[in-house]
Amino acid sequence: GAGVSQSPSNKVTEKGKDVELRCDPISGHTALYWYRQSLGQGLEFLIYFQGNSAPDKSGLPSDRFSAERTGGSVSTLTIQRTQQEDSAVYLCASSLGTVHNEQFFGPGTRLTVL
Amino acid sequence: GENVEQHPSTLSVQEGDSAVIKCTYSDSASNYFPWYKQELGKGPQLIIDIRSNVGEKKDQRIAVTLNKTAKHFSLHITETQPEDSAVYFCAATTVARAFGKGTMLLVSP
Repeated sequence: GAGVSQSPSNKVTEKGKDVELRCDPISGHTALYWYRQSLGQGLEFLIYFQGNSAPDKSGLPSDRFSAERTGGSVSTLTIQRTQQEDSAVYLCASSLGTVHNEQFFGPGTRLTVL
Repeated sequence: GENVEQHPSTLSVQEGDSAVIKCTYSDSASNYFPWYKQELGKGPQLIIDIRSNVGEKKDQRIAVTLNKTAKHFSLHITETQPEDSAVYFCAATTVARAFGKGTMLLVSP
């Protein structure tokens, strides 16, 4: 079956522009997570969804970052007024539930802000 | 929030040797400890996990041990092979995962 997909795979943008990253989770997975991975760093938790609601937004680095999930499926991560420090790989994962459930990761979106 | 420390950051071994990666965590409420393997250009993939009511778990050449009192857990890979070369991440969680910074494992033939 299909795994988690993300689009675009690569995104190059200019400083100050807005970007939108998309995640399609595995069908039936109720939990969805966004992470950021900077070069040589671990995975930085950004936000997770249980269904369409986001109980934990504590990881979002600033108010330029927002995410939504509609219909309990596709999620979009939006970064407004991008900065060079936003350059990273953005990973999405989904799981059947939130506790003790394996997370399945997508291949990521590599964002480069010039 | 949870803080996870992972060591070493890089580990080079000869094929056939064993490799050990160690992690410590801060939140005693964490009760699920997965390990992920990430190959170049791909997302992380779960290789083994352990829950807080278990001290050790083994799956072929891979094993994980957990010491809840000391708040540390370790990944053990025996009889390493070149295809084990990758970045390995530990995580500690209640709901959202807190990840370590990763260990780059290089297995030389």
